[in-house]
Formats: sequence, C-alpha cells, structure tokens
Amino acid sequence: GNSVTQMEGPVTLSEEAFLTINCTYTATGYPSLFWYVQYPGEGLQLLLKATKADDKGSNKGFEATYRKETTSFHLEKGSVQVSDSAVYFCALSDQYSNDYKLSFGAGTTVTVRA
Amino acid sequence: DAGVTQSPTHLIKTRGQQVTLRCSPKSGHDTVSWYQQALGQGPQFIFQYYEEEERQRGNFPDRFSGHQFPNYSSELNVNALLLGDSALYLCASSPDRQETQYFGPGTRLLVL
Repeated sequence: GNSVTQMEGPVTLSEEAFLTINCTYTATGYPSLFWYVQYPGEGLQLLLKATKADDKGSNKGFEATYRKETTSFHLEKGSVQVSDSAVYFCALSDQYSNDYKLSFGAGTTVTVRA
Repeated sequence: DAGVTQSPTHLIKTRGQQVTLRCSPKSGHDTVSWYQQALGQGPQFIFQYYEEEERQRGNFPDRFSGHQFPNYSSELNVNALLLGDSALYLCASSPDRQETQYFGPGTRLLVL
C-alpha cells in the first residue's frame, strides 16, 4: 500500500537557519504529494503540494520538489522564523489508483529559537 | 468564505459511552473525510463520504460509523468508547476527485 516515511524530530534551529525535513514515499500509482503544517492546538493547514514528477511546490518561503527517481519530497526553507515553529507532515494521495485518503508521515516537530 | 467547521471543540466521555462528532465542509465541497490523530502521531484515515455513501474506509473497527447529509455535512459516531479512542478527530473536505483536502480545527475527545 501507499505510505510515507518522514524524518524524525524534534528539530531545533536558530532563527534564519536553513531547514530541511526529509520525506520519502512508497506508492503503487502516481501519487500527489503534500506538506501540511500543524500549529499548536490547531488543525492541519496545507503548506504546499506537487502533483507530478519534477513539480516544485512553494509557499511562504518553503519549497519541495517531487523526485520520482528517489521517491522523495523533501521540505526546505532557507531562513526560518520563530513563527515557523510547528509540526510538519508529509502526505500522499493517489486517486488515480482509487485511493482517496491522505496517507501521512509521523510528523516532524520544528522549534525555532530567537 | 467559511472553512471547515467542527463541533464540539472538546468532549469528555467515559468508557462504554457513545459519541457523535459533527463537521460542515468548506463551501463548494461535497466530499468529507475523517481522520484520527493520536497524541504525537500523524493523522490516520477513518473513512470518506461522497454522495451520502461511504466511499473508502481505513483500518478502523465497526464501532466507528458515519453519515453524510444532503447538504454535505457529516457526522462521525463512535460506539462503546475505549480509552484508546482518546484523540483529536479531524474532518477534511474537498471537491470530488480533487486530492487536496482542507482540514477543520478538530474535536479533541478524552475518554476516561
């Protein structure tokens, strides 16, 4: 079945540092890939997505590129802020294979210190 | 434009009781999915409803059931609550056949 493996945290950074969170996936079809973010006490917010190989998703300074050859979708940000402190989830969906659900990784907790 | 809304925000129940959680999808969305998020873990898919029918189900027992109404809102029912059912329950909506799902704030359920 479809699954996502995500870099374990927690990750602690200083403001303006570079952030990378690794995500790899296993899928039988042609999945779409997502990054969601969860701030303390809140639901999940879509951060970015990519629907086919070599697509780059970007939002709020975050980027991730869909790499089919390495089955990866790593999240990066060049200069983090304290407000980026949150839990980040990598996820996939594969409706072309009639798999409508989002399959999530375990999440990576990121703390940015001033 | 209102996003996905859920009620109640918090709930405390005792073992063996039954609970109903409610979800209103984002305007223009006709598909509703439910997820369970245990503390410190990623969300786990419970089921998805489209056109008032359960279209896909995750690996959850029959104690978990749902319903979708003609206005696309949805309910999640859990019977015979166990301590392990304590979690954040998330509702997500999407237009049919679109993979991006938009989440509500969740209902936090505590079973004592």
